[in-house]
This record gives sequence, structure tokens and C-alpha cells, in this order.
Amino acid sequence: DAGITQSPRHKVTETGTPVTLRCHQTENHRYMYWYRQDPGHGLRLIHYSYGVKDTDKGEVSDGYSVSRSKTEDFLLTLESATSSQTSVYFCATLNAGNYGYTFGSGTRLTVV
Amino acid sequence: EDQVTQSPEALRLQEGESSSLNCSYTVSGLRGLFWYRQDPGKGPEFLFTLYSAGEEKEKERLKATLTKKESFLHITAPKPEDSATYLCAVQANAGNMLTFGGGTRLMVKP
Repeated sequence: DAGITQSPRHKVTETGTPVTLRCHQTENHRYMYWYRQDPGHGLRLIHYSYGVKDTDKGEVSDGYSVSRSKTEDFLLTLESATSSQTSVYFCATLNAGNYGYTFGSGTRLTVV
Repeated sequence: EDQVTQSPEALRLQEGESSSLNCSYTVSGLRGLFWYRQDPGKGPEFLFTLYSAGEEKEKERLKATLTKKESFLHITAPKPEDSATYLCAVQANAGNMLTFGGGTRLMVKP
């Protein structure tokens, strides 16, 4: 939706390089999430944030770190990219109105 | 631990052939059950929220129902444009995140 923007939309990077993905929201939502989506695994939670500078790990957090210095921005960093991190990454916010998520359009990351 | 299982993994229908998708769940106190539609190359889009057993929601050719153990997404007289992956998710009373099922990929042929 228009309220969440992910950048870049596509990225190819080399093994061992650091990579940062950005999620920007305009709805002032408190909770933000990073998921990866892979065939056969569905959506898996990497990290989430419950406020500025407040973050926690999800089920597949190894090799990833996050930061949230402003309500509107949630960054996902791959410290040293590996081929197993080739995936589609989605950012989401928790919509207080119906308790569901709003998702961004995703970032397709390829690690070669 | 909250769990969500969707079946079938894939479903092929002819245009106009009605069917149902299943979402079985276990959760420690259900706050809400959600259905999303995901088109290739895009993020999931919200369809419905169901809160309690017996509740039903409708939107065009889709109707979602909820029991204490599962939810169904009924598709009546589907069209090719209904082809997509449909995701089910649950949110527990004590949590602020959703647990997703693996999705059902629906293909409707003209």
C-alpha cells in the first residue's frame, strides 16, 4: 500500500558484502516487522520493532540486524551476505484498526 | 506455540467452479484470524479479519468463515483474476504479531 515503501525493490550483491534494506511508513504505526518469504517456507519473521530503538528477534534472525531511529524508518542489515539470504524481504506494520498487517511491496535480494 | 496449516498447497479450478480453501490453526487465545491475497511480485493484501467462531465475512466472490479450529475461504464461481496465493494468519490475544500459514496457490483457468 501507499503507506509503506521498501527500497530498493531489487538488489544483486556479492557474498560477504553488507547490505541494508529500508522500510519507510507514513502511518505512524508503532509496530514494524521484517519477514523473508521463500518457496516451501512461507513468511518467516526476522526481526520486529515495538518502538523507536526497541527491537527484538524473530525466528530467523541469525545474520541480520535491525535499527529504528525514527518511527517511520525500519532498517534491515545483512552484516555479511550469504547465498542462503537470497530471498524476497517484506516489511509490514501492524494496523491498530483491525489488528492486521499492512505490507510493503517487497525487496528481491539475490546474493551471488 | 501458535501454528497455522493451510490446505491444499495448490488448487486448480475451471472458471465458475466453486471450491474452498482450508486454514487450520492452534493459538493460545485468538485475537483475530486474517486472510490475505498475494499476487506474484507483490506484497500480501488484506482481505478479511475474523474474530470469533461463527463469524462470516464476504467480499465479491469470496466468503470467509471461522470455527474454533479452522477457517474456510469459499470462492464462488471464480474468475481467472482470482488466481493468486491466499495466506491465512492468526494473532494471539497476548501478542502483537501474526503467525502465517504456508499459503494456497489458486489457479483459475478460463
